[in-house]
Amino acid sequence: EDQVTQSPEALRLQEGESSSLNCSYTVSGLRGLFWYRQDPGKGPEFLFTLYSAGEEKEKERLKATLTKKESFLHITAPKPEDSATYLCAVRENYGGATNKLIFGTGTLLAVQP
Amino acid sequence: DAGVIQSPRHEVTEMGQEVTLRCKPISGHNSLFWYRQTMMRGLELLIYFNNNVPIDDSGMPEDRFSAKMPNASFSTLKIQPSEPRDSAVYFCASSWTVYNEQFFGPGTRLTVL
Repeated sequence: EDQVTQSPEALRLQEGESSSLNCSYTVSGLRGLFWYRQDPGKGPEFLFTLYSAGEEKEKERLKATLTKKESFLHITAPKPEDSATYLCAVRENYGGATNKLIFGTGTLLAVQP
Repeated sequence: DAGVIQSPRHEVTEMGQEVTLRCKPISGHNSLFWYRQTMMRGLELLIYFNNNVPIDDSGMPEDRFSAKMPNASFSTLKIQPSEPRDSAVYFCASSWTVYNEQFFGPGTRLTVL
């Protein structure tokens, strides 16, 4: 069964303490891996799309990387405003319909000042 | 630019009542998605439309759920009759095409008593 697993479930960092979040996936045909950020009471906010192994994308303190089985979201010198739930989703090649996103359950990140 | 607009933001109703959730996608976007988010199951795709046509409704839990998109700027998700297990946050998302990143609305928090 196709699935997306994120780890850890929760992560507490001190301000400035760099770390990484993991998203591992098992799908029959990957057609894109997406990272979203979700703040409490709000909808997910799009961060990155990755399509092929070896691809990397950066935005401010965030950097996303992709291998054939997993993706990492690296957070460098985080600030309290980076606190949020980070969601990973994969788009599978499902019976020719390549548009269904499967979401992981997220990593809840708390950055303390 | 206005993002995805959803209404109402909060809905409290009693079991057996009809509930209608509304969504206005980002202007120019051709694909619209309805999701449900719960603590237990995370974010799940219910149905999506492309050019106002329903493409995949395999995530709709049962016949009590129905969705329509009468034009490019409006969609509804209806639950009739509602049950307590339908309590969740319902998100609408839109994208330029089915292949692009999805942008989420703020969600409707539904509570069925």
